[in-house]
This record gives sequence, structure tokens and C-alpha cells, in this order.
Amino acid sequence: DAGVIQSPRHEVTEMGQEVTLRCKPISGHNSLFWYRQTMMRGLELLIYFNNNVPIDDSGMPEDRFSAKMPNASFSTLKIQPSEPRDSAVYFCASTDRGDNSPLHFGNGTRLTVT
Amino acid sequence: GDSVTQMEGPVTLSEEAFLTINCTYTATGYPSLFWYVQYPGEGLQLLLKATKADDKGSNKGFEATYRKETTSFHLEKGSVQVSDSAVYFCALSDIVDTGRRALTFGSGTRLQVQP
Repeated sequence: DAGVIQSPRHEVTEMGQEVTLRCKPISGHNSLFWYRQTMMRGLELLIYFNNNVPIDDSGMPEDRFSAKMPNASFSTLKIQPSEPRDSAVYFCASTDRGDNSPLHFGNGTRLTVT
Repeated sequence: GDSVTQMEGPVTLSEEAFLTINCTYTATGYPSLFWYVQYPGEGLQLLLKATKADDKGSNKGFEATYRKETTSFHLEKGSVQVSDSAVYFCALSDIVDTGRRALTFGSGTRLQVQP
């Protein structure tokens, strides 16, 4: 089991550029979560999918953020245009639908917007 | 709504000291409770969990007991090591309606263990 795989590990971009973060969940998991972590606000849930369908996107900060899950093995989080305040570590996590199932996190993408 | 409150850090201890990190929660349903650990440069990893009242989760010398009467899930370890230095997150999982699961994390507590 390779775990949750995120790419890239680090991304540095200039303000105004489009950024795409990628996630491959654990095979067989049917729930996928995107989180953002900063020193100021801690861990924030951005969006979560069940069976590729977005269930709760209330944490998506604004229209510049969008997330897709075209199939069970791949998800993207896109920021367009990016701003310096988007700098953070973005985590993807997956789990099965069991009530007691823990989340399995990827190692995150550290995004720096200059 | 659901919430998790854990003690502010950093917590600084000497090696072999006793550790307690407090965690209390509020939930609308009957949640499952978790402790996650985050080492530098990595994602969160499950440390232990408990799914019903009076359950004790344990792993790697860490323990936490699900206390429904006090809505608490405090993390303890009898003798910490330098390698335990990390950030610890308390979390709960609650089913809020059909097909929708709410996962709520605390703000994290940084533990620093000195040799």
C-alpha cells in the first residue's frame, strides 16, 4: 500500500499564476478530503468527496479555489489566480466510509506564492 | 456544531517524564474519537482511536480513554522519548446526516522532549 500520494511536494509560484495540486488516494477508499494547514489557522477542511461527488465544499475560501475528482483514483485542487495569502501546506486524505475509519493523510504540498 | 478543544502548546518535557495532553469535545451525535500525530514535514498519522464510551485506545505507549461523562479524551504516556517530539491533534468523527460525515480537529499541541 503506497499510501496517499500528493504532488508536487513543493510549489513556488508568483501571484496571479494558476496552481494545480494533485492527489491519488489509497485504492479502495471512497472518501477524499482536502485540508489546508497554516500557523495562524491550523488545519482547515476545504472540501470533501464521497464516491467522487463533492459532499461539503463550505470550507473552500472563495471562487479562486476549485476541486475535482474525475475518478476514484485522482483528485485536483486548483487555485486561479493564486495570491500570497494562499501560501500554506495543502493535505489530501482518504478513508473508507466506515463511521470509525481514520483518515490517511498524504505528506502534503507546501505552496509558496510570492 | 461539533468542536474539539485541546491544550495550548508547546509542551516541553524532559525525557522519561509523564505526558498528559488534554482534549475535550462537544458533539451532536455519538462520535468516534482519535489522536493523530504529525512529525515535521509529514502528514498526520493516526496514533490511536476509541469508538465508544469507556473504550481505551493505545499505541506506542500512548493511551487515551473515551470519557462520555466529562466529554474528554486526554492523551497520556508514562515516559516520553525525544522521538515523541511532534504535534498532536485530537479529533472527532460524527455522522451528521445520511452520507455526510463531519470530522473535526483540534488546533494541535506541540510536544518538545529534551534529552
